[in-house]
Amino acid sequence: GQQLNQSPQSMFIQEGEDVSMNCTSSSIFNTWLWYKQDPGEGPVLLIALYKAGELTSNGRLTAQFGITRKDSFLNISASIPSDVGIYFCAGQLTGTASKLTFGTGTRLQVTL
Amino acid sequence: DVKVTQSSRYLVKRTGEKVFLECVQDMDHENMFWYRQDPGLGLRLIYFSYDVKMKEKGDIPEGYSVSREKKERFSLILESASTNQTSMYLCASSTWRGGWNGYTFGSGTRLTIV
Repeated sequence: GQQLNQSPQSMFIQEGEDVSMNCTSSSIFNTWLWYKQDPGEGPVLLIALYKAGELTSNGRLTAQFGITRKDSFLNISASIPSDVGIYFCAGQLTGTASKLTFGTGTRLQVTL
Repeated sequence: DVKVTQSSRYLVKRTGEKVFLECVQDMDHENMFWYRQDPGLGLRLIYFSYDVKMKEKGDIPEGYSVSREKKERFSLILESASTNQTSMYLCASSTWRGGWNGYTFGSGTRLTIV
């Protein structure tokens, strides 16, 4: 089955820094989502994107749906210790109803 | 607060055992999913269900089966557990009612096969 290419795989950053991660696919998606997984918990939805070119914010988080519909980006501004976790992108392929394909994840660690 | 509840957070079973992982949602969602999560591989879909008694194979169904006898409950079955099925298992549900907004996940079951 298809998986999305997500990068970077992991990153260590200092508190207060901005973070960028991205996700690419060989297939076109009609919906992109970004999830965060805290240690020992299931993923929680952060942002959903429904149109190519769409830019959406949720507090310090900003995500974009790529124009080609084959990629998406997530930015976190002014990181704080509670941003630690694994971030997953997910895409919904046209015609697959509600089935999502997930990226491999970006593990974020924040140092003080 | 809407929820997806997985019956066990941690489980240790022996090779060859038949293992049941249970998932219950209280949101009246029609769609339910089972994923496994492994480091570096992300989340991979095992099975999913769009309705009671319906099931469809995901990307990695080998060695697994599922049961959905009631709308709120979706069970994952390891017919004869093997060590390569040691993993984190995540259940999720979703609905198209009121517009689609992704999945709601349970907290996961960390399964170890010894």
